[in-house]
Amino acid sequence: GAVVSQHPSWVICKSGTSVKIECRSLDFQATTMFWYRQFPKQSLMLMATSNEGSKATYEQGVEKDKFLINHASLTLSTLTVTSAHPEDSSFYICSARDSGRGTDTQYFGPGTRLTVL
Amino acid sequence: DAKTTQPTSMDCAEGRAANLPCNHSTISGNEYVYWYRQIHSQGPQYIIHGLKNNETNEMASLIITEDRKSSTLILPHATLRDTAVYYCIVRPIQGAQKLVFGQGTRLTINP
Repeated sequence: GAVVSQHPSWVICKSGTSVKIECRSLDFQATTMFWYRQFPKQSLMLMATSNEGSKATYEQGVEKDKFLINHASLTLSTLTVTSAHPEDSSFYICSARDSGRGTDTQYFGPGTRLTVL
Repeated sequence: DAKTTQPTSMDCAEGRAANLPCNHSTISGNEYVYWYRQIHSQGPQYIIHGLKNNETNEMASLIITEDRKSSTLILPHATLRDTAVYYCIVRPIQGAQKLVFGQGTRLTINP
């Protein structure tokens, strides 16, 4: 299957700082990427849809000014958590849509665990 | 988007076939059935998907009922590494194509 990477795999930061997470599709081009958040013992929750070259579409209740998404190329999307607070501590997972092989399947990255102190 | 219903948890003996059911009674004709699994602290892994025909790949088989209101994911020879949360998701063929995750089924493979 297609490979999606995330960097970093984990990060610890102080309250008030900003953290950038990268999501890359390694062996395919992705015009659309998605960002999810997962709290302990809960399911994945979609935060936003990221389209290459255009603004992201955020789900209801997700603050676009707090979670900045940039999808500047067909293989890279970034999520920046601005002014992070302890309640932003979570497991952030991206996925990339592979529309080039005819299946239009989404493949997920390994996730980034964010801990805000 | 159509919703799915899955059992909260299931157990299966190692080496046996694991059959995971999913109800999607409100599915429409232009929606796929997708299966993913998530092993603890990892990102979800794509398993298989189908529209109306049964599908098989190296990981699993997907059996979709004729009325498409339910499906079963079959892991033919479960191993301990198959212990994970399995998600059945219905997704439109066209449009936003975002995946909406429910609570899934926690499958435990026992030695």
